[in-house]
Amino acid sequence: EIVLTQSPGTLSLSPGERVTLSCRASQSVSSSYLAWYQQKPGQAPRLLIYGASSRATDIPDRFSGSGSGTDFTLTISGLEPEDFAVYYCQQYGSSPCTFGQGTKLEIK
Amino acid sequence: QVQLQESGPGLVKPSQTLSLTCTVSGGSISSGSFYWSWIRQPAGKGLEWIGHFYTSGSTNYNPSLKSRVTISVDTSKSQFSLKLSSVTAADTAVYYCARQYAVFGARKSPAWFDPWGQGTLVAVSS
Repeated sequence: EIVLTQSPGTLSLSPGERVTLSCRASQSVSSSYLAWYQQKPGQAPRLLIYGASSRATDIPDRFSGSGSGTDFTLTISGLEPEDFAVYYCQQYGSSPCTFGQGTKLEIK
Repeated sequence: QVQLQESGPGLVKPSQTLSLTCTVSGGSISSGSFYWSWIRQPAGKGLEWIGHFYTSGSTNYNPSLKSRVTISVDTSKSQFSLKLSSVTAADTAVYYCARQYAVFGARKSPAWFDPWGQGTLVAVSS
């Protein structure tokens, strides 16, 4: 199965800052079949990005995704207070689909 | 809009079978555009896909759990269920059900998850 490694594990940032989260796959993810999710404490994950770069419904345009092959990124251009959460990537190009271990964004 | 809600016992004894049900509202569980999945998350840890079913009746399970997992569906009640047998403390987690989109490339294949149920905590303990 494809192993996804997210880095860094934790980021301490201030509102307004721009942040780029990394998701690296152990082998190429076919057709850029990669999604990103946001999870807040006590809540289910929420879909942000699918197909590596397509925003899900009602997701603000400060969230953007890019990448292909084995390297993918999620960028948040201007952190809002509600963006501090844990972010997960998921690949669905190969079965079983797998998730990264998550990157936690915390307020500095 | 589609909503999903998990239900079932919050405590299961070791070696017994964990049973959960997901009730889908606001949409048809028979739609050919979606798979219907179970995912779990141990406390403080990441997400693990357990398995899904497709409206054709086919199921697919994570190889790491395949020998212990059964997913079934009751379309008349708009519900699908998870059974995980021979549970141990390692199966303690929040269990989510989710709708999984299908992508139609060279072949139909399962893709991203949206929406998710709120999740239900299942503890395995005597």
